[in-house]
Amino acid sequence: EAQVTQNPRYLITVTGKKLTVTCSQNMNHEYMSWYRQDPGLGLRQIYYSMNVEVTDKGDVPEGYKVSRKEKRNFPLILESPSPNQTSLYFCASSKGIGNLGQKVEAFFGQGTRLTVV
Amino acid sequence: AQSVAQPEDQVNVAEGNPLTVKCTYSVSGNPYLFWYVQYPNRGLQFLLKYITGDNLVKGSYGFEAEFNKSQTSFHLKKPSALVSDSALYFCAVRGIDTGRRALTFGSGTRLQVQP
Repeated sequence: EAQVTQNPRYLITVTGKKLTVTCSQNMNHEYMSWYRQDPGLGLRQIYYSMNVEVTDKGDVPEGYKVSRKEKRNFPLILESPSPNQTSLYFCASSKGIGNLGQKVEAFFGQGTRLTVV
Repeated sequence: AQSVAQPEDQVNVAEGNPLTVKCTYSVSGNPYLFWYVQYPNRGLQFLLKYITGDNLVKGSYGFEAEFNKSQTSFHLKKPSALVSDSALYFCAVRGIDTGRRALTFGSGTRLQVQP
């Protein structure tokens, strides 16, 4: 089954304690990204990756790091979490555009609800 | 820059009635437009997309959306609502010429279908 898998689904942590949220996709997609969802703000992109070893900042990258050492994995790292990073996080992947852009839709993971106290 | 507006935080409709969830967008050049649905404690599920061609796009679960370039709108519609359609709906846009492939989402519209 084609899917994007995030772990953990729920995480409560304390301020300053480094954490990693993993993301893995089995569709051989080139493009992967991380979003955070906050009430009234929709989803905002944190970081994205066009392919292995190619990453770049999205709209809200402060306080986050990512890596793309393998095509299927795109972990999100919070080196020193703060309470304002309490949010619902989604990983997404999509294939290349193609001639007519047929495969442009993104597939999303189930989400990780992070609470930083 | 690209942006999406979903002017209604919530839409209430009776089961069996038609529903419309509104979306307007702003993007440089031609857009890719999407609708996603989020059920409680679930990730986002793709509903439909507009890439090119017919302005009326049909998607999953009987939903459709109409692309209107002059009004920069992409409203989601369904002829007859079901209670099971109750969920949070997101409109998203990406400029075709945007190398980032980043989606810009609206703030979401909660659809409540009453029995």
